[in-house]
Amino acid sequence: DTAVSQTPKYLVTQMGNDKSIKCEQNLGHDTMYWYKQDSKKFLKIMFSYNNKELIINETVPNRFSPKSPDKAHLNLHINSLELGDSAVYFCASSQDTTGGRSNQPQHFGDGTRLSIL
Amino acid sequence: EDQVTQSPEALRLQEGESSSLNCSYTVSGLRGLFWYRQDPGKGPEFLFTLYSAGEEKEKERLKATLTKKESFLHITAPKPEDSATYLCAVRNPNAGGTSYGKLTFGQGTILTVHP
Repeated sequence: DTAVSQTPKYLVTQMGNDKSIKCEQNLGHDTMYWYKQDSKKFLKIMFSYNNKELIINETVPNRFSPKSPDKAHLNLHINSLELGDSAVYFCASSQDTTGGRSNQPQHFGDGTRLSIL
Repeated sequence: EDQVTQSPEALRLQEGESSSLNCSYTVSGLRGLFWYRQDPGKGPEFLFTLYSAGEEKEKERLKATLTKKESFLHITAPKPEDSATYLCAVRNPNAGGTSYGKLTFGQGTILTVHP
């Protein structure tokens, strides 16, 4: 039933650890995204994949590495977690078959709240 | 760099008291302005897309309008269930280094409607 699902919903871990967040969409979309929402509620794009190909890679530390095994999945792996990584991470998807010329809205998951101790 | 500024940051209304939220934007090329609603602990939920100045879209008590520099989200006779954070975003096809562009979001307006 769920369109864009992320796991886990909450992630509490220590500084220096490595963690992964998983995202799956069952909307049949070909483009997926990772966003970071900070404490001031700004949503900022991190990465975007279209048909498993990386198309947007914002200025994000190398400790963040996305992986798209297929069109329906986009995972985010974070190495050596830092205090500043604490935020809510949202996955989203949209349909962009016309090479970006379409203007379909992005659909979001409910987020993963990451807390670094 | 694309910029989106929303005002006010927070708005408290009485049930039935109509008002408007503002979204001002600066973007080199606009391919769509999007409005989303976000409830606490949830992801943004799509409301409207506006493409060109003069366009209007309506959904229940909400009406979105667009000019060349800003968009308004008008809320008519709001109810407590309209309480949420409303986010505005612009899509710039020239940004992000690809033809796909990217969405740039504002910081949102937190709307609280009291019964």
